[in-house]
Amino acid sequence: NAGVTQTPKFQVLKTGQSMTLQCAQDMNHEYMSWYRQDPGMGLRLIHYSVGAGITDQGEVPNGYNVSRSTTEDFPLRLLSAAPSQTSVYFCASSRGLSSGNTIYFGEGSWLTVV
Amino acid sequence: AQKVTQAQTEISVVEKEDVTLDCVYETRDTTYYLFWYKQPPSGELVFLIRRNSFDEQNEISGRYSWNFQKSTSSFNFTITASQVVDSAVYFCALSEGRGDDYKLSFGAGTTVTVRA
Repeated sequence: NAGVTQTPKFQVLKTGQSMTLQCAQDMNHEYMSWYRQDPGMGLRLIHYSVGAGITDQGEVPNGYNVSRSTTEDFPLRLLSAAPSQTSVYFCASSRGLSSGNTIYFGEGSWLTVV
Repeated sequence: AQKVTQAQTEISVVEKEDVTLDCVYETRDTTYYLFWYKQPPSGELVFLIRRNSFDEQNEISGRYSWNFQKSTSSFNFTITASQVVDSAVYFCALSEGRGDDYKLSFGAGTTVTVRA
């Protein structure tokens, strides 16, 4: 039961570096999303995808890029890391909720930008 | 505009006390979904409950219970006879219908500390 798998779990970056947070799900879910969690603000939606080849922006997309070439994978790219991107990142996947499904989260990725 | 408001930032109780977490939401949709997640110190998000807007029946699961009231747009969560293991951050979240039901709007979270 892998569910939603995120890598890496911890990462330290220098300002200006780029990196990719990986997210994979093995439940054949069409919907995948990335959230960031900051103190006192809950989780906020960065980008989402409704299926392979389709992505769109969420609430806080600036500085991030995504692609969805397969149903299983939804990587999040930081093009030029900034200290403001220090956060905990969560990937989520689901089918539509109307059929009694729920939204599954990965274990999170802790990113520090120095 | 904040769609989900958790007015309590932190709650501290002594073990075996009951604790109620408030959640007020805002939406114009008639179909929506409400969630509670628990985030223990280890950091992962643990799904607790999902409630549909058309199902106002309250739910009890062990020491956990939820009170959903559409009239006041509230979805409150009560932990009965709290235990140290209940110490965590609890998030209330809203998913609005009409095709966007895979996106969640989270409240800021309530940190619950249960002291032995």
